[in-house]
Amino acid sequence: QPQLQESGPGLVKPSETLSLTCTVSGASISSNSPSYYWGWIRQPPGKGLEWIGSIHHWGTTYYNPSLKSRVTISTDTSSNQFSLNLNSLIDADTAVYYCARHMLVDGNGGLGYWGPGTLVTVSS
Amino acid sequence: DIQMTQSPSSVSASVGDRVTITCRASQGIGKWLAWYQQKPGKAPTLLIYDTSTLQSGVPSRFSGTGSGTDFTLTISSLQPEDFATYYCQQAKSFPSTFGPGTKVD
Repeated sequence: QPQLQESGPGLVKPSETLSLTCTVSGASISSNSPSYYWGWIRQPPGKGLEWIGSIHHWGTTYYNPSLKSRVTISTDTSSNQFSLNLNSLIDADTAVYYCARHMLVDGNGGLGYWGPGTLVTVSS
Repeated sequence: DIQMTQSPSSVSASVGDRVTITCRASQGIGKWLAWYQQKPGKAPTLLIYDTSTLQSGVPSRFSGTGSGTDFTLTISSLQPEDFATYYCQQAKSFPSTFGPGTKVD
């Protein structure tokens, strides 16, 4: 059973770049048998869930069209981590950010394993 | 992109009640629908995937049905620990999308 843990700053300034890391234990993000997509999801205070994007260790990435111009997701297989970069931050990016693993081998299938989440506040 | 809607947005229920939540996709997604439960201050947990398959450890009072564009989540007899917000998600392809959520209180 994979375990995921988000890490990163809790406070960032508007117009700056947010960098978050998800550390995975109990599973290898670079496993080829089976292999999965790993994703980022966020939730503004009091609101619903928003999928940000997902990555496969082969390098294939998919992004939410509404965030695509500002988002980069990458992997560090040597550290068994994957990361989120979100630039040009605005107040509306304030949210709890979750990392998670998809259920379907080499596909979507839903998100079966989640980190506890980390609150990021965008404020000057 | 596939859009997801849910109804109702909230439901008032009592312990022992049967609760049904509906989710609709803007285009057909086959069986690829997931349901999540989220309690305040906690990460969502996967309840059901592939429309009707219960995730390990999920009580059998939860069930899911549907296909194509219309799906339902049913709680057969609501328990105190089931008061939460429930989200559906299209799990067929990327980009992935969640429904807006249904609060059960």
